[in-house]
Amino acid sequence: EPEVTQTPSHQVTQMGQEVILRCVPISNHLYFYWYRQILGQKVEFLVSFYNNEISEKSEIFDDQFSVERPDGSNFTLKIRSTKLEDSAMYFCASSVAETQYFGPGTRLLVL
Amino acid sequence: SQQGEEDPQALSIQEGENATMNCSYKTSINNLQWYRQNSGRGLVHLILIRSNEREKHSGRLRVTLDTSKKSSSLLITASRAADTASYFCATDMNRDDKIIFGKGTRLHILP
Repeated sequence: EPEVTQTPSHQVTQMGQEVILRCVPISNHLYFYWYRQILGQKVEFLVSFYNNEISEKSEIFDDQFSVERPDGSNFTLKIRSTKLEDSAMYFCASSVAETQYFGPGTRLLVL
Repeated sequence: SQQGEEDPQALSIQEGENATMNCSYKTSINNLQWYRQNSGRGLVHLILIRSNEREKHSGRLRVTLDTSKKSSSLLITASRAADTASYFCATDMNRDDKIIFGKGTRLHILP
């Protein structure tokens, strides 16, 4: 069964550094999403992406964040200058109909 | 906010018993979905119920939706140790829209 994959599974970075989180959505899916989950808290929406542009973003998704679909398979989330509070699990999801399928997540730790 | 709120926050039951988790939300929805998350892992889609549906089954799972009360329940019958996880309801207002997660119910199945 097709799955959403994410790399890396874990990332440790210094505050102020840039990180790029990578996702490979399910191949025939058209809608792509990033969510995050701070430890012990609920999953929060960051951004949705369709037809090569952002369709919606949350208040969390400020100028430090950007997304890109550089080729036909990858979907990336970039955090330009990481802050301590960016430490979280980041989930990519994709959908073609109503159901969103999630990847296993990247655990980001900012020191 | 259309966020879902699950109750109870935590539930411990004996293996073989049925587990019932509830979810309430605040605004009109298009779909309601239930996801499972094993500790520190990704989100696994369990079942989607549309706003015009009242009940849906999938294996040992039974989901109900009462749009007049803005609530849903997830019943897991004949629970197993492998069902130990956190369970989240998630709602969306439109197809391919972001989904809003509740805080989840932590289910622990006792051997």
